[in-house]
This record gives sequence, structure tokens and C-alpha cells, in this order.
Amino acid sequence: KQEVTQIPAALSVPEGENLVLNCSFTDSAIYNLQWFRQDPGKGLTSLLLIQSSQREQTSGRLNASLDKSSGRSTLYIAASQPGDSATYLCAVATNAGKSTFGDGTTLTVKP
Amino acid sequence: DAGVTQSPTHLIKTRGQQVTLRCSPKSGHDTVSWYQQALGQGPQFIFQYYEEEERQRGNFPDRFSGHQFPNYSSELNVNALLLGDSALYLCASSSGGHGGELFFGEGSRLTVL
Repeated sequence: KQEVTQIPAALSVPEGENLVLNCSFTDSAIYNLQWFRQDPGKGLTSLLLIQSSQREQTSGRLNASLDKSSGRSTLYIAASQPGDSATYLCAVATNAGKSTFGDGTTLTVKP
Repeated sequence: DAGVTQSPTHLIKTRGQQVTLRCSPKSGHDTVSWYQQALGQGPQFIFQYYEEEERQRGNFPDRFSGHQFPNYSSELNVNALLLGDSALYLCASSSGGHGGELFFGEGSRLTVL
């Protein structure tokens, strides 16, 4: 059974800092890994998708890496802004389409 | 290009009642997955529909059932509601019935009293 863990559960940083969010998973037989952002009471917004054959993906100030052998992914956020405050979730998918989510990291960026 | 749309956005039910939630996938997508998200937790996979069939199911009782229509839209039905069914129900669309990129709707917030 796949288990996904995200550490830390909460993180508070001053504006402008670079930061790393961590995601670990127990079963390396994944199809892809996806990072999402969720604002309070809202749905999930896709940030980055990494296929199992890829090592990293970049979009603007975001960079996500994947190391299947160690069961780890990181989401790097450069030059954080108050608008980045949200809960960040990672999800690992099987090739059949079932995704397993972590419980997220709640990020607060202070002005 | 319309994204994933869900209805209703909020609803309140009492224990023992039944509820139906609806989802229209993103244009061009043919696969719909449903997730339940309790407060402070990550979404839990309920089931996935592709080609009008339930293809995969998570660890949820038979009280949770669904349907996919020929236009790829989907319904989630929950019977005999329990207090513990109170949650945000999220619909995700993707393409091809396998583990493609997921796009989520804003969810339906269900409160069971």
C-alpha cells in the first residue's frame, strides 16, 4: 500500500526566502508525481507534473525534483512571496490512475 | 476553455439521507476520479470512471457509488449518510483512463448533521 508523507506539516518564512518542501513515498513503482497548491476551502491547482522517467520539472519560480529510487520528491520555491501562502500537496499516481496524496505542507510567507 | 465544474458547491444533509454530487470534466478529458478530503488531511481516492465504467475503487463502502455519462460527466452518490461523511468532495479529470495529469474542480462541501 502506497503511503505519502510530507514534512514539515507547516512552515513559516519571511518574504524573499527560498524554501524546500519535501514529499516521500513508500512504493517506487509510480507512474508520475504531481504537486498541487490548495487555498483554504478551495480545490487543488496543479503546479508541476513529473513523469516517472523524469528527474525534474520547472515552472517559473518553482522547481520539482523526483528520485524514485529513494522515494523522494522536493518542491523548491524561489524568492517566496505572500501570495505563495497556501497548502502544498504532493500526489503519486499508479499507471492505472489512482493517486495517493500526502496531508500537505501549509506555507505562510510573511511580508 | 472550461475547467472542471462541480455542483452543488455547498450542501447540508441529515444522517440517513442520500446525496448526489455532479462533475463535468475539463474539455477534452474522458476520465473522472472522485476524492474525499476531510479537514486538515489530503484527498482520499474514492473511485475512477472511464468509458462509463468504474475502473478503480479506493477503500470506501458500497454506500458510495457513481456513474459516468456518455458526455463524460459524472455523478457521485452517497447513501445512508453518516456524520463522518462530512467533507469536501473533489472531482478530478484526466485523459485516457490511466495516470495522466489531474485537474480538479472547486469541490462540493458536504455537511451532515
